[in-house]
Amino acid sequence: AQSVTQLGSHVSVSEGALVLLRCNYSSSVPPYLFWYVQYPNQGLQLLLKYTTGATLVKGINGFEAEFKKSETSFHLTKPSAHMSDAAEYFCAVSEAGTYKYIFGTGTRLKVLA
Amino acid sequence: EADIYQTPRYLVIGTGKKITLECSQTMGHDKMYWYQQDPGMELHLIHYSYGVNSTEKGDLSSESTVSRIRTEHFPLTLESARPSHTSQYLCASSDPGQGIVGTEAFFGQGTRLTVV
Repeated sequence: AQSVTQLGSHVSVSEGALVLLRCNYSSSVPPYLFWYVQYPNQGLQLLLKYTTGATLVKGINGFEAEFKKSETSFHLTKPSAHMSDAAEYFCAVSEAGTYKYIFGTGTRLKVLA
Repeated sequence: EADIYQTPRYLVIGTGKKITLECSQTMGHDKMYWYQQDPGMELHLIHYSYGVNSTEKGDLSSESTVSRIRTEHFPLTLESARPSHTSQYLCASSDPGQGIVGTEAFFGQGTRLTVV
């Protein structure tokens, strides 16, 4: 069965510092991986996704993530945090043929001035 | 631009009332989903549909029911609301399509339900 683990329910970084949000997955077949962002009282917005091909994927707002099969990881990074990045971030996995999306528990990012 | 709409955005209702949360999408997607999200917590899949007249229960047991009579519409109903149903409900849709893999799910803005 597929599952997602996000390490760290809360992460704080200073404005301008590196953002690193961790995601590990479990899947019996090659997975499709996603990062979403959620602002208060809003739905989820896609940041980026990995399906096949290049393992380093770039998304919106300067975020990127690298798929590492050997580590079953898909960590999200941004070189320089901005105040507007403060939000909840969710990692998700989907397997071919299931059409279901399984989400991690989320990481709340706080950006300090 | 494709979009997915949920109404109402906020609902406060008394115990025992019947409620329906609406979800509509304009993208022609076959796959639709309902997730329940408690404050500061993960999303739990409670219902999904792969097309008209197709509905399945998700990974989290829910007393709610759904229907899929039209492709674009996927309402969720609670026959008798209870305080334990207080939560945020998120609707989503996707369309892997033939030959297209790894399509993302598109989300509505959610309905925050409070049962008093």
